[in-house]
Amino acid sequence: SAVISQKPSRDICQRGTSLTIQCQVDSQVTMMFWYRQQPGQSLTLIATANQGSEATYESGFVIDKFPISRPNLTFSTLTVSNMSPEDSSIYLCSVDFGRANMNTEAFFGQGTRLTVV
Amino acid sequence: GNSVTQMEGPVTLSEEAFLTINCTYTATGYPSLFWYVQYPGEGLQLLLKATKADDKGSNKGFEATYRKETTSFHLEKGSVQVSDSAVYFCALMGGGYQKVTFGIGTKLQVIP
Repeated sequence: SAVISQKPSRDICQRGTSLTIQCQVDSQVTMMFWYRQQPGQSLTLIATANQGSEATYESGFVIDKFPISRPNLTFSTLTVSNMSPEDSSIYLCSVDFGRANMNTEAFFGQGTRLTVV
Repeated sequence: GNSVTQMEGPVTLSEEAFLTINCTYTATGYPSLFWYVQYPGEGLQLLLKATKADDKGSNKGFEATYRKETTSFHLEKGSVQVSDSAVYFCALMGGGYQKVTFGIGTKLQVIP
């Protein structure tokens, strides 16, 4: 299993500002994932972060709006840039250990509840 | 691509009633299947999982069986409690380093 710590757990931000969300894992993982859960909606993948390379973004998400860092195998950050009220969501970090370890479970952080006013 | 179709809620049940939340999927290969639960104001928790056909995942009285022939993974519980009130997400993950594909989520409300 994995313990995933996300910070901050929640924040209220002014529109036009940026917020950086941190995700720390207690073991080394190759792939880390960032999801968004808009109010009353399901989870949507924003991007996949692989250590040592640029993140891969899903359709509808761009690097300028959601820059991601992945400096090592246990840490990643997601920045929500130039925020608007439409960015109010829960943002979740996730990891999976993949086929190599035959562990096919995705682990999620507790999420960051962002409100933009 | 992969997709998960889940019955929409909300579902309102009386305490001790039988629960079924339907979930079907489309995927290539042999995905792993999951049910996640999100209690009010909390993060996402894994409820149960199944990694191959005919596997039954179970936890806290909830069960789901991986049915490859019907591409389904329905969630069931024989007697729900008020504390089971939450949003339930059906999900799948392909083999290897893959993203998780979620269903829309089903809100369950159990009334005393």
